[in-house]
Amino acid sequence: GENVEQHPSTLSVQEGDSAVIKCTYSDSASNYFPWYKQELGKRPQLIIDIRSNVGEKKDQRIAVTLNKTAKHFSLHITETQPEDSAVYFCAASPTGTASKLTFGTGTRLQVTL
Amino acid sequence: EAQVTQNPRYLITVTGKKLTVTCSQNMNHEYMSWYRQDPGLGLRQIYYSMNVEVTDKGDVPEGYKVSRKEKRNFPLILESPSPNQTSLYFCASSLSSSGGPTQYFGPGTRLLVL
Repeated sequence: GENVEQHPSTLSVQEGDSAVIKCTYSDSASNYFPWYKQELGKRPQLIIDIRSNVGEKKDQRIAVTLNKTAKHFSLHITETQPEDSAVYFCAASPTGTASKLTFGTGTRLQVTL
Repeated sequence: EAQVTQNPRYLITVTGKKLTVTCSQNMNHEYMSWYRQDPGLGLRQIYYSMNVEVTDKGDVPEGYKVSRKEKRNFPLILESPSPNQTSLYFCASSLSSSGGPTQYFGPGTRLLVL
């Protein structure tokens, strides 16, 4: 089955700096890669996703890049703000949908003032 | 209001006592899933369902059962709970791929098995 590795496990940045979280996956059949944000005590929420026919996708301050050859994808957050502090999870799916998802172990992002 | 609901939100039980955690969505979603979340392990999928009467194992199905008799409901059953099933459980639902794969999570059920 699919295996997703996520790094780093914790990340501290100053407000206004950029943050990058990286994930690698093992199953070459995976073709859908979402990112979720989970604030303390809350449920995970989808923030951005990318499909394998696209190399990069951007939504305001967040962007995701995908390298299918190397089987890795990354989340980029620019101009970080305190409200970006949360745990971020990457995931991969071989079905192209959110039905069968394997998640990474999460990155705790702390944005300091 | 579009939402996924879970009940109960908190549950303390003892080893071997059967329990059911309910999950319901009002968005007419085809796909539903159950996850458990443990510190350092992230979210792991237990079971998922692509439609009524269609279910399949996720990555950690041992010790769990599910059923999908109606589109809106997807209960998680622990027939003989054990302490290693102490965890935070999330139900989620999503549209078919034609409608977009955004997955909506329920509020979570925190389970403690003594």
